[in-house]
Amino acid sequence: EVQLVESGGSLVQPGGSLRLSCAASGFSFSRYWMTWIRQAPGKGLEWVANIKEDGGIEHYLDSVEGRFTISRDNAKKSLYLQMNSLTAEDTAVYYCARDYVPDWQGSTWDLWGQGTLVTVSS
Amino acid sequence: IVMTQSPATVSVSPGDRVTLSCRASQSVNRKLAWYQQKPGQAPRLLIYGASTRATGVPDRFSGSGSGTEFSLTISSLQSEDFGVYHCQQYDGWPTYTFGQGTKLEIK
Repeated sequence: EVQLVESGGSLVQPGGSLRLSCAASGFSFSRYWMTWIRQAPGKGLEWVANIKEDGGIEHYLDSVEGRFTISRDNAKKSLYLQMNSLTAEDTAVYYCARDYVPDWQGSTWDLWGQGTLVTVSS
Repeated sequence: IVMTQSPATVSVSPGDRVTLSCRASQSVNRKLAWYQQKPGQAPRLLIYGASTRATGVPDRFSGSGSGTEFSLTISSLQSEDFGVYHCQQYDGWPTYTFGQGTKLEIK
């Protein structure tokens, strides 16, 4: 079955760290850019970070640059998000998603995981 | 690029036709996607390229627009169509932005 399954979300104190994981199955993981997208409670979607097929290029939302690191292990078909210096504003459901590029540049996302909840609170 | 959706909430009856709007703060050409999200679920890609339906999307869903003004029309609402609809621009590569969402609820 073609799917993405996230894990690692939990309650963490402000200033703390957390590592999210996303396990891919049913498709050629190494052939796709991959992305993390988050959704704060009752809010809209927010793109967080993405990573090239071979892991050689990463991009980040300005507000997480320097605090979050996206990475991947193609041999394990897994995507990761290391989150440091967490604040209450990082509280959200975090989704991993597979990039679909309809034209030559620019992504949409055609496969999403079920999400994992990160709560930053004391 | 800031994406603004309207209305925030719309109440409709099954069988009705409804149009949702999305405006970009600057031209995104036709690099605009729509997603449907049901409670407790991940979003689902409906439309990309402003008007191309994704695989498996029923033809009652149609998208239009270019530049800064876009719309998503559902021609005859079915019970399974209720949820939140999000627009997303992908012209601002390598970063992307979404609208705040429009909630489609049963009247």
